[in-house]
Amino acid sequence: SYELTQPPSVSVSPGQTARITCSGDALPKKYTYWYQQKSGQAPVLVIYEDRKRPSGIPVRFSGSSSGTVATLTITGAHVEDEGDYYCFSTDSSDFYRVFGGGTTLTVL
Amino acid sequence: EVRLVESGGAVVQPGGSLRLSCLASGFIFDDYAMFWVRQVPGQGLEWVSLIKWDGEVTYYSDSVKGRFTVSRDNSKNTLYLQMNSLRSDDTAFYYCAKGGRSVVYGMDVWGQGTTVTVSS
Repeated sequence: SYELTQPPSVSVSPGQTARITCSGDALPKKYTYWYQQKSGQAPVLVIYEDRKRPSGIPVRFSGSSSGTVATLTITGAHVEDEGDYYCFSTDSSDFYRVFGGGTTLTVL
Repeated sequence: EVRLVESGGAVVQPGGSLRLSCLASGFIFDDYAMFWVRQVPGQGLEWVSLIKWDGEVTYYSDSVKGRFTVSRDNSKNTLYLQMNSLRSDDTAFYYCAKGGRSVVYGMDVWGQGTTVTVSS
C-alpha cells in the first residue's frame, strides 16, 4: 500500500524556521495538502495543491514540492503554531488517498 | 460560512452496524466531492472514503472496503457512511470533510467529528 513518510517530530525556537517533510513515490505527479491539528480540534487546511495558501492562513506558512518530497515551511514560527501536521495526497493509481503519519511541531 | 455537522456516532457491539450522517451548509453541496476521515484517539489521521459530487464514483481504504458504504443525498445536503460488520479497530473519531469540484483534490473544510466506539 502507498505510504507518505513524515518525521515524527520537529522542534524549533520561536522565530526560527520549521520545515516538515513528506516523502512519497507518487508526489512528483500528485498534489500535496497539509493540515494542522491542535489538541482536541479538527484539522485545518494550511497548504493545498503543493504551495497554495488558503485565505486566513498566515503568510509564514508556505509549501513546496520537489521530486518525491514535499515540504511545509513555517518561517518565523510562533508558539501558537504548535500542533500536529499531516500531509495528504493520492497514490499513482488515483484509487487511494493517504495521510502521512503526522509530525508534532514544538515551538519553545 | 461552510459548515459540516456529523452525527450518528454511538457505542455498538462488534459485528454491528451504524450509519453516520454529515449535514452540510454554506456551499453548493452537489458541486463538491466529500470525504470521510477517522482518527483513533492519540493517533494519526486515516482516510476512509471519498465520493464524487454526483455519488456515482466512490473510493474506499482497504481497511473498510466491503464493510462501509459512502453515499449522499444532494437534495438534503447530507453525506452518509453506512458501517457494517464493525470491529474494535473501527473505534475512532469520524470526520466528514469537503473536497473539491473534482475527486483529484483534497479536503478544505472539516466538521467537528462524531465518536464511534465498537465494544461489547
